[in-house]
This record gives sequence, structure tokens and C-alpha cells, in this order.
Amino acid sequence: SQTIHQWPATLVQPVGSPLSLECTVEGTSNPNLYWYRQAAGRGLQLLFYSVGIGQISSEVPQNLSASRPQDRQFILSSKKLLLSDSGFYLCAWLTGRGKDEQFFGPGTRLTVL
Amino acid sequence: GENVEQHPSTLSVQEGDSAVIKCTYSDSASNYFPWYKQELGKGPQLIIDIRSNVGEKKDQRIAVTLNKTAKHFSLHITETQPEDSAVYFCASPNTSGAGSYQLTFGKGTKLSVIP
Repeated sequence: SQTIHQWPATLVQPVGSPLSLECTVEGTSNPNLYWYRQAAGRGLQLLFYSVGIGQISSEVPQNLSASRPQDRQFILSSKKLLLSDSGFYLCAWLTGRGKDEQFFGPGTRLTVL
Repeated sequence: GENVEQHPSTLSVQEGDSAVIKCTYSDSASNYFPWYKQELGKGPQLIIDIRSNVGEKKDQRIAVTLNKTAKHFSLHITETQPEDSAVYFCASPNTSGAGSYQLTFGKGTKLSVIP
């Protein structure tokens, strides 16, 4: 069966520090991968998606970047965090190939102080 | 692109009563409508979905109905229990643009089931 992992689960970082969040998927190949951000009490904002290794599309201009160095690995990064980067970061995947179901990871709670 | 409106934003019900959450969508080409449940501090979990070739789907106490003519779909939870308390999101695929499949989400409904 397929599973999705995110780490770390929680992170507290000072303003101006770098960021690296990792997402990995098991049990599938060539998935579509997505990064979402969720501010406290708010909805889901799509940040990046990827249809394959090295292929990244950005949905909103921001202080963050994403990379997909391997088929089942998706990384969210920043060189210098801002206070506004605080939030709950969710990775998601779907198999494509005619299947619509999208599944989310457990999330990373990021607090920038 | 797709626009999804979700109502209400908050909903409180007594344990044992029913809860209904409604969503409307704009893209008439959309053909897949999932619902997610998000408990506090966790990622959203897919709980039920419906495709455009059926009007209703049930899974125990949860059901989803779809009206393609009116472009709306609803989540129905019967015999609510305290563990149903969570934020619920509806979604619909964005069929415009090439290269990737994306879901457009509603803004969420916070359901509170009062014991």
C-alpha cells in the first residue's frame, strides 16, 4: 500500500534562517506531488506541484522554492524565512494515470519567530 | 479556473443529529468531487468521493449527493458522533490548463458535534 511521510513534524525557526522540509512517498511510482500551506484556521493554498523529477511548477510568488531530486521525494526550501512563512505545510500525492484520488501527508507545523 | 464555494463555514449540531455541508463549483467539465476530513494537527483525510456518472454515494453514516445541472454537491453525515468534529473540505478538479491535475478546495467547514 502507498504511504506518505513528512518530516520534521514540527519546527521552530528564527526569522532569516534557512528551511528544508522533506516529503517522501512509498508504494507508487511517478506520482504527481504537491506542496500546500495552511495558515491557522484557514484553507489550503497550493504552493508547488510536480509531475516528474526536476519538474516544478509554482502557483504563487513567494519566499519558498521546491525541488524533486528523486521520483518519490519532494523538498520545500527557503534561503531566509519570514514571519509570514509560519503555517502548516502539507505534502500530497496522486497516482495520475486515470486515478483522481489525492492523498495528504501528516504535515509539518512551522513556526517562525 | 475552477471556483469552489463551501457553506457553512462553521456548523454545530447535537450528537445524533444530521449535518449537511454544501459546495458549489463553476467548471461544468468537472467530473470528480472528493470530501476531506481534517482533525486538529493532522493532514486532511479523503473520506468519500463521487464521480459525475452517479447522483449519490453512501458509506455507512456518510453520503455525498451531486447535482450536475445546478453544479453543487453536498456531504451528509447522519447520527453524528463527537469524533465527527473536524474541519471538512470539498474539492473539485481544475480542468483548465495542461500538464498537471490540480484540485481546487473549498475554504472548509468546522463541524462541532456537541455531546
